[in-house]
Amino acid sequence: DVKVTQSSRYLVKRTGEKVFLECVQDMDHENMFWYRQDPGLGLRLIYFSYDVKMKEKGDIPEGYSVSREKKERFSLILESASTNQTSMYLCVTVGNTEAFFGQGTRLTVV
Amino acid sequence: AQSVTQLGSHVSVSEGALVLLRCNYSSSVPPYLFWYVQYPNQGLQLLLKYTSAATLVKGINDFEAEFKKSETSFHLTKPSAHMSDAAEYFCAVTPNYGGATNKLIFGTGTLLAVQP
Repeated sequence: DVKVTQSSRYLVKRTGEKVFLECVQDMDHENMFWYRQDPGLGLRLIYFSYDVKMKEKGDIPEGYSVSREKKERFSLILESASTNQTSMYLCVTVGNTEAFFGQGTRLTVV
Repeated sequence: AQSVTQLGSHVSVSEGALVLLRCNYSSSVPPYLFWYVQYPNQGLQLLLKYTSAATLVKGINDFEAEFKKSETSFHLTKPSAHMSDAAEYFCAVTPNYGGATNKLIFGTGTLLAVQP
């Protein structure tokens, strides 16, 4: 079974903190994605990466950055967390026309 | 560019009634299309997918969807709703040319309620 593992299930951070969300996949997929899920808004694409050290902005990249130093690991970085970044964050990898989801990280910024 | 529109953020049906969840897509290239389901407090689960083979796609739990190119639609149906079908459903699209930079674009979701 494909595993997409996000480092934390729940996080509480303070406004202004730098936050790292880590994601690791074990299927050697090139494409990895970070989404945030909010009620009524569905899943919105923040950033994606199609190769090591490559990244592309999604639809809502403001306030975020990413890092892909190794193929299996894709990190989402909140440079200075704000309360409007309170959300569920989902890491996704895609292979052979199917998407595989991490369990999600529910981030609360206080 | 691709986009997905799900008509109706909330749909309510009676147990045993037909379920119809609507999805329209926009894509400049032939698409792959997906339906995902998310049960309360759980992750997303693939229901079914269209990958340019048969236009009528059958998925898990008796759900099916039909790809209609002329209508740019991929509506999800189930003949008889069960209480256990209550969940949020997401339609998604990605281009099928297998490019390295394919994005998977989701709709805003439809919350299905099933009344006894």
